[in-house]
Amino acid sequence: GENVEQHPSTLSVQEGDSAVIKCTYSDSASNYFPWYKQELGKRPQLIIDIRSNVGEKKDQRIAVTLNKTAKHFSLHITETQPEDSAVYFCAASSRGGYQKVTFGTGTKLQVIP
Amino acid sequence: NAGVMQNPRHLVRRRGQEARLRCSPMKGHSHVYWYRQLPEEGLKFMVYLQKENIIDESGMPKERFSAEFPKEGPSILRIQQVVRGDSAAYFCASSGMTGSSYNEQFFGPGTRLTVL
Repeated sequence: GENVEQHPSTLSVQEGDSAVIKCTYSDSASNYFPWYKQELGKRPQLIIDIRSNVGEKKDQRIAVTLNKTAKHFSLHITETQPEDSAVYFCAASSRGGYQKVTFGTGTKLQVIP
Repeated sequence: NAGVMQNPRHLVRRRGQEARLRCSPMKGHSHVYWYRQLPEEGLKFMVYLQKENIIDESGMPKERFSAEFPKEGPSILRIQQVVRGDSAAYFCASSGMTGSSYNEQFFGPGTRLTVL
């Protein structure tokens, strides 16, 4: 089955700096990579996703990159703000009739004002 | 359009009791996933269900845990004879389904189970 590894487990940055979270996956059949943000005591919410037919996707201060050859994908947050503080999960899944999503272990991001 | 609903939000049980967690998927969604999250840990897949069918229960403990998604009504995750180690947040997610597309999973608010 799929195995998703995520690094770092914790990350502290100064407000305004950039934050990068990296993930690797094992199943070459995986072709959908969502990222979720979970604030303390809240539900995980999708913030951005990328399909395997693109290498990069941006949405305002958030970008995700995918390297299918190396089976790496990363989340980049620029100009971080205190409200970006949360736990971020990467995930991988395969397209098709059964979409089992395998999550990484999470990165706790702290943005220091 | 109501999102994924879960109830109860908080559930306290004594060891040996049964816990029943309910999940109503988003309108139009027919796929339900259950995840368990221990404090300070990630989301662990438990089971994937479609209406009246269990598709994948590879993440669910073989004993004491069961899940269903009947034709009518919410999906239910049942834990019999709860133990302290069952204390966790249980999240349900739902997705729509088309044969060849990627489907975002929408999460419910979770049920926080505490076993005394």
